[in-house]
Amino acid sequence: DQQVKQNSPSLSVQEGRISILNCDYTNSMFDYFLWYKKYPAEGPTFLISISSIKDKNEDGRFTVFLNKSAKHLSLHIVPSQPGDSAVYFCAASSYNNAGNMLTFGGGTRLMVKP
Amino acid sequence: DSGVTQTPKHLITATGQRVTLRCSPRSGDLSVYWYQQSLDQGLQFLIQYYNGEERAKGNILERFSAQQFPDLHSELNLSSLELGDSALYFCASSVVEGMNTEAFFGQGTRLTVV
Repeated sequence: DQQVKQNSPSLSVQEGRISILNCDYTNSMFDYFLWYKKYPAEGPTFLISISSIKDKNEDGRFTVFLNKSAKHLSLHIVPSQPGDSAVYFCAASSYNNAGNMLTFGGGTRLMVKP
Repeated sequence: DSGVTQTPKHLITATGQRVTLRCSPRSGDLSVYWYQQSLDQGLQFLIQYYNGEERAKGNILERFSAQQFPDLHSELNLSSLELGDSALYFCASSVVEGMNTEAFFGQGTRLTVV
């Protein structure tokens, strides 16, 4: 049972336009959400996060929105740049007695065309 | 550079063999996580250690085991290898502290079973 889902395996966007990557989750115990970016032959790198007490977090060109009632979050990249082309993973965490493991979605491959 | 070091970077071995993957976490990080990424799949959580103790277990096969040593480095042991075990194995580390759950990933070990 996938608790974190990214339903779009790929997304193609023109340079300068907005990229919107979506993520849905099912576990209501998740209270912290993260986006990771992964280039080929590299490990995932942390991009931006949001706590469940917020509905928006912004960092430069990157904004994450959280809709708790819909169990949905999205990552907006504005403006998109060719260097943003990578696989983006949504991840969720819940702090419990077992620690704070991250549950990842399947990833969305973003291609930004010049 | 995330500060997480994984060795070896590449490993080719035959079915039925046993291999050990090594991970050195970032300085000061007490948690180590192991993830598996099979071809075109998301990151599947295998196991987490915190300060030498197992804290959480995911979809880890019985043929796989891990440990975290007093110097906090971790090893993932994979035995009786099968073709389907070919994958990227990532190690990540983090400081388990409240809501700060960003994990930093190593570059991964690409395991090819032939």
